[in-house]
Amino acid sequence: DGGITQSPKYLFRKEGQNVTLSCEQNLNHDAMYWYRQDPGQGLRLIYYSQIVNDFQKGDIAEGYSVSREKKESFPLTVTSAQKNPTAFYLCASSIAQFRQETQYFGPGTRLLVL
Amino acid sequence: DAKTTQPPSMDCAEGRAANLPCNHSTISGNEYVYWYRQIHSQGPQYIIHGLKNNETNEMASLIITEDRKSSTLILPHATLRDTAVYYCIVRVLLNAGGTSYGKLTFGQGTILTVHP
Repeated sequence: DGGITQSPKYLFRKEGQNVTLSCEQNLNHDAMYWYRQDPGQGLRLIYYSQIVNDFQKGDIAEGYSVSREKKESFPLTVTSAQKNPTAFYLCASSIAQFRQETQYFGPGTRLLVL
Repeated sequence: DAKTTQPPSMDCAEGRAANLPCNHSTISGNEYVYWYRQIHSQGPQYIIHGLKNNETNEMASLIITEDRKSSTLILPHATLRDTAVYYCIVRVLLNAGGTSYGKLTFGQGTILTVHP
């Protein structure tokens, strides 16, 4: 069953704690993305990666970090430097970045700060 | 990015066609129009996209005006499960650090409510 999986569905973070959100895809897509969505708002791009071992900052990268060691995986770490981390986080993937390929989204992870 | 303008909300009766408009008057010649929808607390779902010709797939039809400044997404027979936020997006190809990348900018979308 092909697709994008994100885990966990809900994640709780204590003040000053780093947390890592998982994103895995078995679609053989080259490009992967992380977006953040706040209540009643659209999506904003945090980071994206066109290829393994390469990634670029999006519009709101401060307080976040990523890695792309495998084609299938693009984990996002929300660091303690992110002062307002409570949001819905969405991972997406596409065949490639530079053409008009469609991005497909995972089910999302909702992060809450305790 | 080319900015899109959508009505904040629309209603539709079950079984009727839902016509969702979108204005993108600053769109450039190489920018595609994409439509996604998002059901509450789920990831966005791709619906359809197009450049200048009308497009149809199993989910919907996309009508783009000849000047490309507006488009309409048509759900031919709306069901209760089509209730969602619908996003019209102009996908821009950008250059950063010597590489190019495509960017989807999601606005606030249209809340479509399908009622019995």
